[in-house]
Formats: sequence, C-alpha cells, structure tokens
Amino acid sequence: AQSVAQPEDQVNVAEGNPLTVKCTYSVSGNPYLFWYVQYPNRGLQFLLKYITGDNLVKGSYGFEAEFNKSQTSFHLKKPSALVSDSALYFCAVRDEGSNDYKLSFGAGTTVTVRA
Amino acid sequence: EAEVAQSPRYKITEKSQAVAFWCDPISGHATLYWYRQILGQGPELLVQFQDESVVDDSQLPKDRFSAERLKGVDSTLKIQPAELGDSAMYLCASSLSTGQQETQYFGPGTRLLVL
Repeated sequence: AQSVAQPEDQVNVAEGNPLTVKCTYSVSGNPYLFWYVQYPNRGLQFLLKYITGDNLVKGSYGFEAEFNKSQTSFHLKKPSALVSDSALYFCAVRDEGSNDYKLSFGAGTTVTVRA
Repeated sequence: EAEVAQSPRYKITEKSQAVAFWCDPISGHATLYWYRQILGQGPELLVQFQDESVVDDSQLPKDRFSAERLKGVDSTLKIQPAELGDSAMYLCASSLSTGQQETQYFGPGTRLLVL
C-alpha cells in the first residue's frame, strides 16, 4: 500500500527566510511524487512532480523539491518565502508497482509566512 | 490557461435531501476524478472515470452516492439522501490519461454543508 506522511501540521517562517515543508512516503515499487498548494476555499494547484531522473525538481512560483530515495523523502523548499506563500500544502504519491492509479495525499501542512 | 470547472461553489442542504455537483474537465482530458476532502485532511478519491467508464469506485458509498460521465466529458456526482457526515469539500480533477506519471489538475471545489 502507498502512503504519505507530512510530519508537521504547521510551519511558520519570516518573509525572506528559507521555507521547507517535509514529506516522507511509503511504496512497494518506485514512487511518483507530487506537491500541491491549496488556498482558502480553493481547489488544489499543482506545484511540481518527481517521476524519474534528476533528484532536484523545480516547479512553479520558485518552489523546488528534492527526492531522496534512501530517506524516502520529498521535501518542498523555497529559498526566500513570501507572505503570499501562506497556504496549505499537500504531498501526494503514486506507487509504480500498484495496479491502480490512485493518488494518495498526506494530511497537509499549513504554512504561515509573517511579514 | 485551461481549468477544471465546478458548480456550484457552495451548497447548503438539509439532511435527507438530494444534492448534485457538476464538473467540466480540461478539454481533451480523458480521465476524471472526484475526491472528497474533509476539513483538516487531504483529499480522498471517491471515483475515477476513463472516458465514460468507471475505473475505480471502491471508495464510493454506493448506497447514497452515484456518479456518471455519460458522454465522456462532463460529470455529475449525486448524493441521495445527504447525511450530516457528508459535509466536506468535493473536488473534481482531470488528467490527460490514467498513466501513473500524469498530473491531475483540480477544480475550485464545491463546499457542501449538510444541516
């Protein structure tokens, strides 16, 4: 079975400081990993994904994520956070070895960037 | 930029009433998903369509929920009768195909409140 854990319910950072949102996963085969962001009363917006290749993936709005197979992690990062980055962030995984195509989401991490 | 459309955005109903949600995926996207997101949790898949066929409805409470995508384009999710526990955000997503590498793009969601 595939699963994702986001160990921090909340992350608080000052504007201009680095932002990291943690994600670990569990799959039986190779993982396909995704990050989404959700603003209040809105749907999920796609940020980036890891399929194969370079472990550092660059995405929208200056975000990037690093795939680490040995630590089964896919942490989301932004070098300099903005107040407008305040939102709910979800990590999701698909298992290449699975017979279905279901995307499994973590519980989400609320990011607050203070001015 | 093409988007997934959903309506209504908000719905308030009384328990035992029937409700219906509509979704229009991104043009050309063969795969359509309905998710339920309970406050404070990540989205959970209810049903997945490939064109007009159901691929996965294992998590759909079939005694009260139904979903259809008759012409393989837009889709309707119905709840009858609604229960208090159905209060949640209902998200529709679409992707080009069912491939595990495919990115799912989400609509703005329908927030349902059952009184």
